[in-house]
Amino acid sequence: GQNIDQPTEMTATEGAIVQINCTYQTSGFNGLFWYQQHAGEAPTFLSYNVLDGLEEKGRFSSFLSRSKGYSYLLLKELQMKDSASYLCAVTDSNYQLIWGAGTKLIIKP
Amino acid sequence: DAEITQSPRHKITETGRQVTLACHQTWNHNNMFWYRQDLGHGLRLIHYSYGVQDTNKGEVSDGYSVSRSNTEDLPLTLESAASSQTSVYFCASSEVMWRSFGPGTRLTVT
Repeated sequence: GQNIDQPTEMTATEGAIVQINCTYQTSGFNGLFWYQQHAGEAPTFLSYNVLDGLEEKGRFSSFLSRSKGYSYLLLKELQMKDSASYLCAVTDSNYQLIWGAGTKLIIKP
Repeated sequence: DAEITQSPRHKITETGRQVTLACHQTWNHNNMFWYRQDLGHGLRLIHYSYGVQDTNKGEVSDGYSVSRSNTEDLPLTLESAASSQTSVYFCASSEVMWRSFGPGTRLTVT
């Protein structure tokens, strides 16, 4: 079957760095997405990786290793507004998105 | 600005009633999707459409139907609402792969 695993919840301190991991087992691979979702709101697109390596976008970076079925989202200089759920999703061989259950990130002052 | 809107934003209905959730997008995207989101689960695909008159079942399509008569709209109908369908429903659209989501509809079936 197809499976996406992420930690359920993480806690970090304002100003610090946090890494949210995602491992996947899917039938085929056509890219990996990270979305941010604040409580009660819609998911919003953060990043897309299709090739191995690190993609940097401001305070957020996303890494992919296709051979290991692994990705992480790195958030630097954490701000209180980064408190949200972070969703990992993989596009399979049929170009369907398979979603992880999300990681709830709690930022403490 | 282009956007996706959903209505209603909140709905309470009784078991057995038919309910229709509206989704309207002004992105002019061909691809539209309906998901449900429940605690402990990832977003689960209900139905999707790749263009006018095209509809396809997702992984949790039982008890739901959609129709696509134009590019902008993909209404989701619950034929006979059940308590198991209490959830938050998101509509999304895309042209290539990344999805743009609507604000969601919180549906409670009592």
